[in-house]
Amino acid sequence: AQSVTQLDSQVPVFEEAPVELRCNYSSSVSVYLFWYVQYPNQGLQLLLKYLSGSTLVESINGFEAEFNKSQTSFHLRKPSVHISDTAEYFCAVSVSNAGGTSYGKLTFGQGTILTVHP
Amino acid sequence: NAGVMQNPRHLVRRRGQEARLRCSPMKGHSHVYWYRQLPEEGLKFMVYLQKENIIDESGMPKERFSAEFPKEGPSILRIQQVVRGDSAAYFCASSPYIYEQYFGPGTRLTVT
Repeated sequence: AQSVTQLDSQVPVFEEAPVELRCNYSSSVSVYLFWYVQYPNQGLQLLLKYLSGSTLVESINGFEAEFNKSQTSFHLRKPSVHISDTAEYFCAVSVSNAGGTSYGKLTFGQGTILTVHP
Repeated sequence: NAGVMQNPRHLVRRRGQEARLRCSPMKGHSHVYWYRQLPEEGLKFMVYLQKENIIDESGMPKERFSAEFPKEGPSILRIQQVVRGDSAAYFCASSPYIYEQYFGPGTRLTVT
């Protein structure tokens, strides 16, 4: 079975400061990795994903995450945050066994609440 | 292309009543997933469906919960005889293929 650990439940930062939200996973098989963002009282929006290829993936709004297989991590970073980045962020994994029985279901971490202060 | 639609957005039920949650996937998406977000527990997978078929219901409670995705119409998550512990946000996600899921806004169920 897979598991995801988000090491920080809350991360407060000031506007324009850099931020890193940490995510570690545990799995005995290859996985795909995702970051989702959830604004208050809304659903989850896919921020970025790693399926294969380059281990560094980027979103359109300046976030990036790097897949590190040896450290089983997929930390999310942004060099300069904005007030509008305030939200809860979820790291998730799914097993990448094409033809297997995972069916793409996601296992989520507990979430990290990012609060950006002016 | 409209996003994943869920209704109602908020649902209040008394203990013992039935709750029906509806999910309309994005156009062209044939895979539907249901997740539950309980307070202090995070998001948990419940069930995965394709049109007219339940593929994986390993996350569904064994009793009172059922799901369907008929050939026509939305996917339905049905909870019979609701209890206070069923109070949660229920999210539906749809996918054109199984490794990219798009979430709806959720239905927040409150059991009184």
